[in-house]
Amino acid sequence: AIRMTQSPSSFSASTGDRVTITCRASQGISSYLAWYQQKPGKAPKLLIYAASTLQSGVPSRFSGSGSGTDFTLTISCLQSEDFATYYCQQYYSYLLTFGGGTKVEIK
Amino acid sequence: QVQLQESGPGLVKPSETLSLTCTVSGGSISSYYWSWIRQPPGKGLEWIGYIYYSGSTNYNPSLKSRVTISVDTSKNQFSLKLSSVTAADTAVYYCARLAAAGRGKYYMDVWGKGTTVTVSS
Repeated sequence: AIRMTQSPSSFSASTGDRVTITCRASQGISSYLAWYQQKPGKAPKLLIYAASTLQSGVPSRFSGSGSGTDFTLTISCLQSEDFATYYCQQYYSYLLTFGGGTKVEIK
Repeated sequence: QVQLQESGPGLVKPSETLSLTCTVSGGSISSYYWSWIRQPPGKGLEWIGYIYYSGSTNYNPSLKSRVTISVDTSKNQFSLKLSSVTAADTAVYYCARLAAAGRGKYYMDVWGKGTTVTVSS
C-alpha cells in the first residue's frame, strides 16, 4: 500500500495567516492526490483533486501543488471557518489511502 | 444535488455482522462508483471498499475477508456488511460517491453525514 505522511500533525495559527500543509507519498503518485477538510462531528469535504484543481464552490484562498511524491495544501489567508483537520488521499493505486491528518487550531 | 444518507444499527455485538445501507437521493446510482470509508474515534480515515453500479467491487485487502459491498439499483441504495466484528471496528462509517480520474483512479466528491457504529456486548 502507498503510505501517505502528512506534516505537521497539528499546529496553531491565527486568522489571516498563510498556512501550508505537506503530504508525502511513499512512492510516486503523479498528480492523483485529493485534499479534504473535516470539521468536528462532520463528514470530510472535498477541497482539491488532481493535486491542484479546486473543487467547485471552494474558496480561492485554498490552493494545492505538487506531483510525484511531495504535495502541499496552502491557505493564503486563514479564516475562522478554516480551523479544521485536513486529509490528503492518493488515488493512484486501486488501494485508496489517506494521510493521518493535520489539525489546524486557533492560536 | 445528490445526497447520501447512511442507515443501520448503531450497536453491534462482538462476532456479529455489521450491516449498513446508503441511500442515494437527488440523482441516480447508475454510472458511478460508490464507496464506504470509516473513522475510528479520534483517528483518521480508512477506505473500506467500493462498488460500481453494475456490481463490480474492490476492497481494502486489510478487510477483504470480512467485507461485502452490494448494490440495489432499484432502490438507489448500496450496502456494507462487515462480519466477525470486534471493538476495533467501532467507528463512524461514511458512504461516498467516487469521481473518476481514469480507470481505477477515484476520489470521493460527495459524502454522507456518517453513522456511528459501536461494537460492544
